Amino acid sequence: DTGVSQNPRHKITKRGQNVTFRCDPISEHNRLYWYRQTLGQGPEFLTYFQNEAQLEKSRLLSDRFSAERPKGSFSTLEIQRTEQGDSAMYLCASSFPGADEQYFGPGTRLTVT
Amino acid sequence: AQSVTQLGSHVSVSEGALVLLRCNYSSSVPPYLFWHVQYPNQGLQLLLKYTTGATLVKGINGFEAEFKKSETSFHLTKPSAHMSDAAEYFCAVSTLQGAQKLVFGQGTRLTINP
Repeated sequence: DTGVSQNPRHKITKRGQNVTFRCDPISEHNRLYWYRQTLGQGPEFLTYFQNEAQLEKSRLLSDRFSAERPKGSFSTLEIQRTEQGDSAMYLCASSFPGADEQYFGPGTRLTVT
Repeated sequence: AQSVTQLGSHVSVSEGALVLLRCNYSSSVPPYLFWHVQYPNQGLQLLLKYTTGATLVKGINGFEAEFKKSETSFHLTKPSAHMSDAAEYFCAVSTLQGAQKLVFGQGTRLTINP
C-alpha cells in the first residue's frame, strides 16, 4: 500500500461544467476527509465519512458540491456548475477513528476558466 | 470552536541558522496540535504532533516543537536550516472528540538563503 491516492492530479475546466474527483484512502482506514486549499491559505475542512456514512459537512460545501463513499472504500467529490471561485487544491485524507493522525493524498488541483 | 494563528506568512533565514515558526491556537477543550509541511504541488506531510504527555515533541528532519498551555503556543524550531527545508509549513489543531477534523493556520512560507 502506497498511501492515499487522488485522481486526477490536475483538472482544467470551463465555468459551468461539472467535475468529479476521486480519492482512494489507505485500505484499512475507515475515516475519510475532504479539505479545500485556496492559494496562499491553509486547508479548510469540507466533509468527512466514517465508512460509507457522511457524518459532517462544512458550510463551505454548497449545494453544488456532493461527496459520496458508496462502499466505504474510495470516495468521490463532485462539483456541479463550476465557478471560478471553485479553483483550488482539493485534498483527501484518511485515518482510523480515534487516531490522532490523518494521512493526506497529493491533492487534485482544479482550475476553472 | 478552534482556531490557529501563524505569525508571519513569510520567514526567511540563512542556511545553518535557527528556524522559528510561530503558532498560537485557541481551543475550548484539550487540543491536539500538529505541524505539517507542504512542498509545491504536493499534499501535506506530518512533521510532528502533540497529543498528551511530554510537551517538547521531536519530529522528522530535525524539527521540534514545544506545547505551552499558558501561552497557547506550539512554535516549531530547527537549530540549523538546510536548503531542503524551503517549503510551506502549516500548524493545525484538532481534538479527540467528534469529527477530529483539522483546523489549519494560513501557513508560513519558509525561504532558505544560501
